[in-house]
Amino acid sequence: EPEVTQTPSHQVTQMGQEVILRCVPISNHLYFYWYRQILGQKVEFLVSFYNNEISEKSEIFDDQFSVERPDGSNFTLKIRSTKLEDSAMYFCASRAHTSYEQYFGPGTRLTVT
Amino acid sequence: EDKVVQSPLSLVVHEGDTVTLNCSYEVTNFRSLLWYKQEKKAPTFLFMLTSSGIEKKSGRLSSILDKKELFSILNITATQTGDSAIYLCAVEGTGNQFYFGTGTSLTVIP
Repeated sequence: EPEVTQTPSHQVTQMGQEVILRCVPISNHLYFYWYRQILGQKVEFLVSFYNNEISEKSEIFDDQFSVERPDGSNFTLKIRSTKLEDSAMYFCASRAHTSYEQYFGPGTRLTVT
Repeated sequence: EDKVVQSPLSLVVHEGDTVTLNCSYEVTNFRSLLWYKQEKKAPTFLFMLTSSGIEKKSGRLSSILDKKELFSILNITATQTGDSAIYLCAVEGTGNQFYFGTGTSLTVIP
């Protein structure tokens, strides 16, 4: 069964460093999403992406964040200068044009020290 | 401010019990409501609801939406230990923005 994959599974970085989180959505899906979940808290929407552009973003998704689909298969989330409060599990999700069902990846745990 | 509220926050039941999980929302330009099950890591999709009064069923799970009163319920009958998880409610609002509740943590005791 096709699945969304994410790499790395765990990333440790120092405050102020840039990180890139990678996702490979399901191949025929057209809508892509990033979410984060701070430990013990709720899942928060970051951004949605369709047709090579951001379709919606939340207040969390400020200028420190950017997304890219560099090569038609990967979907990346970049955090330019990480802060301690960016420590969280980051989930990528994708969905097909014909369905509302989002398939989530296994997540990348980001730890900022 | 758009928000999604789930109740109860946590629930402990015995195998075989029936549970009802609640989700109420205030979201601008409601488009859909989704239920997810989150076990160890990533949420997995259960149901998507867009119309009031139409029950969605999958095995022992069912869900219904009331767009007038702005809530949804998720029912699980004859609970099993494998149902233990956090159940998340998410509402899609304007554009492609999604709002999640804090989840209901369900523990099913043998």
